[in-house]
Amino acid sequence: GAVVSQHPSRVICKSGTSVKIECRSLDFQATTMFWYRQFPKKSLMLMATSNEGSKATYEQGVEKDKFLINHASLTLSTLTVTSAHPEDSSFYICSATGQRTYGYTFGSGTRLTVV
Amino acid sequence: AQSVTQPDIHITVSEGASLELRCNYSYGATPYLFWYVQSPGQGLQLLLKYFSGDTLVQGIKGFEAEFKRSQSSFNLRKPSVHWSDAAEYFCAVGNQAGTALIFGKGTTLSVSS
Repeated sequence: GAVVSQHPSRVICKSGTSVKIECRSLDFQATTMFWYRQFPKKSLMLMATSNEGSKATYEQGVEKDKFLINHASLTLSTLTVTSAHPEDSSFYICSATGQRTYGYTFGSGTRLTVV
Repeated sequence: AQSVTQPDIHITVSEGASLELRCNYSYGATPYLFWYVQSPGQGLQLLLKYFSGDTLVQGIKGFEAEFKRSQSSFNLRKPSVHWSDAAEYFCAVGNQAGTALIFGKGTTLSVSS
C-alpha cells in the first residue's frame, strides 16, 4: 500500500534556529501533499497544500515566510520552520495523495519542541 | 460551510462492550468519508473509508461505519471493544478532486476493565 515516511519524528531546537521536516512518498508519486499542525488534545489544522512544482497554497493565518514548503519532486515535500520560537512547538503531520492512490496517506508526524 | 462534527469529546466504554462514535458532516460536493485513529504521539492510521457503493463499510481492527446520506452521518462502530482500542478517533471528509481533508475535533476513547 501507499507509504509516506516523515522525518525526523522528534526534534528539539533552540529559539531562533530553523528546522526542516521531510515528507517522502515511498511507493507512489505524490502529486499533492498537505501539511497539518496539531496542538495537544486538538484536531488537525491544515497549514498548506502543495502541488509538485508549484508554490504552496497557505491557509489563512499561516505565515508563509515562517513555514516554508517545498515540493520539488513527486516524492518529496519539505516544511521548514524558520526562526523558530517556543509557540511553534507542536506536532506536524504531512499527508500525500497521488493520481494512482485512492485516498490520503499520512506520515507518522514530527514532534517539534523549541526551547 | 464545510465541516465535520464529532459530538462526543470523550467516551468511556467497558472492555467487551459495543462502541459507536458519531460523525456528522456538512459538505457541498459528494463526500469522501474517512475514519482515522491516532495513538498518543503517533501519526494517523486509516481505519476505513467510504467513496461510493455499499453504505456499510468494513475496516481494519473489526471496525465498521455506515454512511447515511439523509442524516449526513458516518458513524463508526465496533461490536466488542478491546483495551488496545483506547485512542483518539478522527472523522474526516474529502472529495474526488483530492483537496485537503477536513477533520472533526476528534473523540477520545477510553476503555475500562
